[in-house]
Amino acid sequence: NAGVTQTPKFRVLKTGQSMTLLCAQDMNHEYMYWYRQDPGMGLRLIHYSVGEGTTAKGEVPDGYNVSRLKKQNFLLGLESAAPSQTSVYFCASSSPIRLSTPYNEQFFGPGTRLTVL
Amino acid sequence: KNEVEQSPQNLTAQEGEFITINCSYSVGISALHWLQQHPGGGIVSLFMLSSGKKKHGRLIATINIQEKHSSLHITASHPRDSAVYICAVTWTGNQFYFGTGTSLTVIP
Repeated sequence: NAGVTQTPKFRVLKTGQSMTLLCAQDMNHEYMYWYRQDPGMGLRLIHYSVGEGTTAKGEVPDGYNVSRLKKQNFLLGLESAAPSQTSVYFCASSSPIRLSTPYNEQFFGPGTRLTVL
Repeated sequence: KNEVEQSPQNLTAQEGEFITINCSYSVGISALHWLQQHPGGGIVSLFMLSSGKKKHGRLIATINIQEKHSSLHITASHPRDSAVYICAVTWTGNQFYFGTGTSLTVIP
């Protein structure tokens, strides 16, 4: 199993350009997440999804959009990139919490390093 | 919002030393997670715990629910342990709240 994969690994954009980051998981997980990691700050949740066709805002959603058309894929879009969106982006997935497993491990992708000039 | 504080921010140790990284949080949680981020960037889960203590190889994680505090210990540290160690808590649902990480360097 590949686990969680992200494409691309690196990208440089100019201010105002758009792009889409793709996250794919082969573990049949219901939940998927997009985080950004900035120096001196913990990982921060951008958007998440609890199932195919559903998305929700996290802590820092502004400037990003997401879609979950297929269970195994979670896309993160930047419509008009800004230098403040220069960051490392991580995707993660997990099984939902159930009574038998009240907390669950998140599995992370390798990250995408994005620079916006 | 659950605040997660880690200490120290940076740690340098000689190979073989016993290492402790601390994590404290502000409100009750359902679980606490310790994660390791390798120099190449990948993040892996080390432990999930809601009470007591867990051990895996040279790594030991403890949690004190009353004091809202957890520690990650590394015995007989090795240069390959050099990484960033991240504490995260889950409060309700599957959402994680992350600390800023502790950067560990183990010198041969």
